[in-house]
Amino acid sequence: QKEVEQDPGPLSVPEGAIVSLNCTYSNSAFQYFMWYRQYSRKGPELLMYTYSSGNKEDGRFTAQVDKSSKYISLFIRDSQPSDSATYLCAMSRSSNTGKLIFGQGTTLQVKP
Amino acid sequence: GAVVSQHPSRVICKSGTSVKIECRSLDFQATTMFWYRQFPKKSLMLMATSNEGSKATYEQGVEKDKFLINHASLTLSTLTVTSAHPEDSSFYICSARTLAGFQETQYFGPGTRLLVL
Repeated sequence: QKEVEQDPGPLSVPEGAIVSLNCTYSNSAFQYFMWYRQYSRKGPELLMYTYSSGNKEDGRFTAQVDKSSKYISLFIRDSQPSDSATYLCAMSRSSNTGKLIFGQGTTLQVKP
Repeated sequence: GAVVSQHPSRVICKSGTSVKIECRSLDFQATTMFWYRQFPKKSLMLMATSNEGSKATYEQGVEKDKFLINHASLTLSTLTVTSAHPEDSSFYICSARTLAGFQETQYFGPGTRLLVL
């Protein structure tokens, strides 16, 4: 069993839709949770960073962490064609080592 | 802020040659940089952790004599793929760790695509 599971998709939605992206994990020691966006042939770009359980909102993006269920989500409101990319969840046990464990990534396509 | 660059962005080389990839943090100092490898439609696989002024720490299964890492300054880490073979063809991405207040994050470079013929 992988430490982090993420449905690779692809996920196709119409412009303006609300998108829900999810990851599950098996190790309860994870405390730091991140979402990265990666365009084709580019490096990942940090979108959201959360520590422990709870919600965090930044513009059209909302990140949720439910440690009791070992489940994290990223919501994108009013999705745009420019949101089309691969979204990677990542997590780490401690802020000191910086070692991130990534999910496989979900490919999202927003159709105009 | 928090920009990380990589050079070259793309390289094609013959089998048996060595290739050096540079990773630079442009507007901050990074005591720790990380090197990842990514296969098509796959996630990032951590290869090694590069600490300024000390030896790199390699992940299990990564040959340290094959992938030489040097972190000579707080803004530069290099990855040298020695005696490259076609199976080394991949997308190599570096990241640099930085602290912003109490929040530690990693910022990634744009990646280097290596093709070994």
